[in-house]
Amino acid sequence: QKEVEQDPGPLSVPEGAIVSLNCTYSNSAFQYFMWYRQYSRKGPELLMYTYSSGNKEDGRFTAQVDKSSKYISLFIRDSQPSDSATYLCALMQGRRYSSASKIIFGSGTRLSIRP
Amino acid sequence: DAGVTQSPTHLIKTRGQQVTLRCSPKSGHDTVSWYQQALGQGPQFIFQYYEEEERQRGNFPDRFSGHQFPNYSSELNVNALLLGDSALYLCASSPSRGLNEQFFGPGTRLTVL
Repeated sequence: QKEVEQDPGPLSVPEGAIVSLNCTYSNSAFQYFMWYRQYSRKGPELLMYTYSSGNKEDGRFTAQVDKSSKYISLFIRDSQPSDSATYLCALMQGRRYSSASKIIFGSGTRLSIRP
Repeated sequence: DAGVTQSPTHLIKTRGQQVTLRCSPKSGHDTVSWYQQALGQGPQFIFQYYEEEERQRGNFPDRFSGHQFPNYSSELNVNALLLGDSALYLCASSPSRGLNEQFFGPGTRLTVL
């Protein structure tokens, strides 16, 4: 079983729709949960990170973590064509130098916003 | 702030050759991590450098080695290239007190023929 599972998509929605992107994970030791956006042929860009359970909002983006279910989500409101990209979830156990500070990435979900 | 920079942008090598990729971290960052990203996959952790030492390593063979310099820049070396080493190689930098806040460079696309 992979440590992180992410639906690869592709996911296509009309402009203005609410988008929900999700990941599940198996290791309950993960404490840091990140979302990255990656445009074609570019490096990943950190969108936001959450520590432990709960919600975090940044503009049109909301990250949600449910540690009891081992399930994380990213919601995009009022989606725009410029949001078309691959979205990667990423998890880490701890922030200090140890094997726990490796970042484990999902395989990414390709998102397309239709004008 | 130039952010994380990597060179070269693209590289074509043949099997058995050796390659060196370079990375300059974001200003204020002292930790550099390297990742391999195959097409359609998420990045896979190769190793991480801090204070010029390899701090941790992913499941990659010894053909993959690295170095960090006193100015925090870093190199990734791959020996005896295989076709399967063709991928996007990403460098990410972070502050040592916030390893979860990794900022990525644009990557080096390596093609092995």
